[in-house]
Amino acid sequence: GAGVSQSPSNKVTEKGKDVELRCDPISGHTALYWYRQSLGQGLEFLIYFQGNSAPDKSGLPSDRFSAERTGGSVSTLTIQRTQQEDSAVYLCASSPRGQSSYEQYFGPGTRLTVT
Amino acid sequence: GQNIDQPTEMTATEGAIVQINCTYQTSGFNGLFWYQQHAGEAPTFLSYNVLDGLEEKGRFSSFLSRSKGYSYLLLKELQMKDSASYLCAPLRQTGANNLFFGTGTRLTVIP
Repeated sequence: GAGVSQSPSNKVTEKGKDVELRCDPISGHTALYWYRQSLGQGLEFLIYFQGNSAPDKSGLPSDRFSAERTGGSVSTLTIQRTQQEDSAVYLCASSPRGQSSYEQYFGPGTRLTVT
Repeated sequence: GQNIDQPTEMTATEGAIVQINCTYQTSGFNGLFWYQQHAGEAPTFLSYNVLDGLEEKGRFSSFLSRSKGYSYLLLKELQMKDSASYLCAPLRQTGANNLFFGTGTRLTVIP
C-alpha cells in the first residue's frame, strides 16, 4: 500500500519568505509526527498529532513554526519568515495508534534550503 | 532531560558481525527503537525493545538492559547494503509518545 508521502521533495526559498510543507500519512494512521534533521545531525522532534487531541507542540523551535492537521489526515507545517538556520530535511512520520509499541513510518522528507 | 551516546562511526568487513552500542538517559522510559537510515533516505524501523533481553529478527538482533540504560544492535553476516546510519531512539513517556533520536552510528561495510 501507499506509504507516507511528502511534498515538495525539495524547496529552495529566500530568507524571510514563508514556506508550507505537506505530509500525507498512511491511511488510517491516527498519529502524525514532524521531525527535522540538519546535516549530520539526529532527528529533532517538532510536533505530534494524535487523533482529535490537542497537538503536542513542545518541540517547535520558535513561534515562526506552526502546523495543522485537517480532518485527521493531511498535515501542513508552516515556517514563517524563514531563516538560514531553518535549512534542514523535514521528515513526517505516521503511526497506527500513537501507542509506544507501534513503529513510526517515515516519509521521504522535504529538503528545505534557505538562501 | 535526555541523552544518548552512540559511537559516531564504525567500520566492519563484509560477512562479519558488528555490535553497535547505545547508552541513554531519559526521563520516563517507555521502550527503545532502532532505526536504519541510508544516506539521503528516511529512517526505517528495525526493532523495538520494551523488556530486558535479546530480540532476534533474522540477521539483526537488539538487546536492552533497562537498569543499565543500555542497548545494542547486533548485525550478523554483514552485507555491503548494511552500510548506513543506525539510530538508537529511546521512547519518552511524555504526552507526545515521541522518540528521542541521537545522531546515530554511521556504519561502513568494506569488502
